[in-house]
Amino acid sequence: NAGVTQTPKFRVLKTGQSMTLLCAQDMNHEYMYWYRQDPGMGLRLIHYSVGEGTTAKGEVPDGYNVSRLKKQNFLLGLESAAPSQTSVYFCASSNPGGYGKNIQYFGAGTRLSVL
Amino acid sequence: EDQVTQSPEALRLQEGESSSLNCSYTVSGLRGLFWYRQDPGKGPEFLFTLYSAGEEKEKERLKATLTKKESFLHITAPKPEDSATYLCAVQNNAGNMLTFGGGTRLMVKP
Repeated sequence: NAGVTQTPKFRVLKTGQSMTLLCAQDMNHEYMYWYRQDPGMGLRLIHYSVGEGTTAKGEVPDGYNVSRLKKQNFLLGLESAAPSQTSVYFCASSNPGGYGKNIQYFGAGTRLSVL
Repeated sequence: EDQVTQSPEALRLQEGESSSLNCSYTVSGLRGLFWYRQDPGKGPEFLFTLYSAGEEKEKERLKATLTKKESFLHITAPKPEDSATYLCAVQNNAGNMLTFGGGTRLMVKP
């Protein structure tokens, strides 16, 4: 059982380049999330999706776009990368609900450097 | 706006030296408080969820407790393999989103 898989694991971009990060989950979860993690700032939510075909903005959405064309996949795009987007990106997934059902499970992360 | 503050930022312990990590929070209607463990170069790994004040959960050397304003992660007789960053997060009644604290980096020396 793979859980949440992120590709690529590492990437170096030049300022202005574009790229797409892929997240795939095999747990049949409805909700998916993209976070970024910077030193001393914890995890911050970029965008999220509550189901196939839906997306919504999180705390720090500027400079990013997302798509959820299939339930198991959630893509994060950077159209014109900036040095401020150098970070570690994590994808997570969960099911909605109450007690014991709303746990988010995380992927291993993508380490992105923008030069 | 929900807020989570973790202290200390870093904690060095000798093997066997018990201690506690603190997570203070403000939230508009607590749906759940989550503890995660994160090893270097890896994603957060789920440990516990606490849902109401007074609740406690245990796993091996870890015990999490919850009050209306804070949560503690007690580590009893830690071992070097307990070294990691421990993250606390809250979820409010409005949805499934988590607000994370900055984490406590725990280092246990043999």
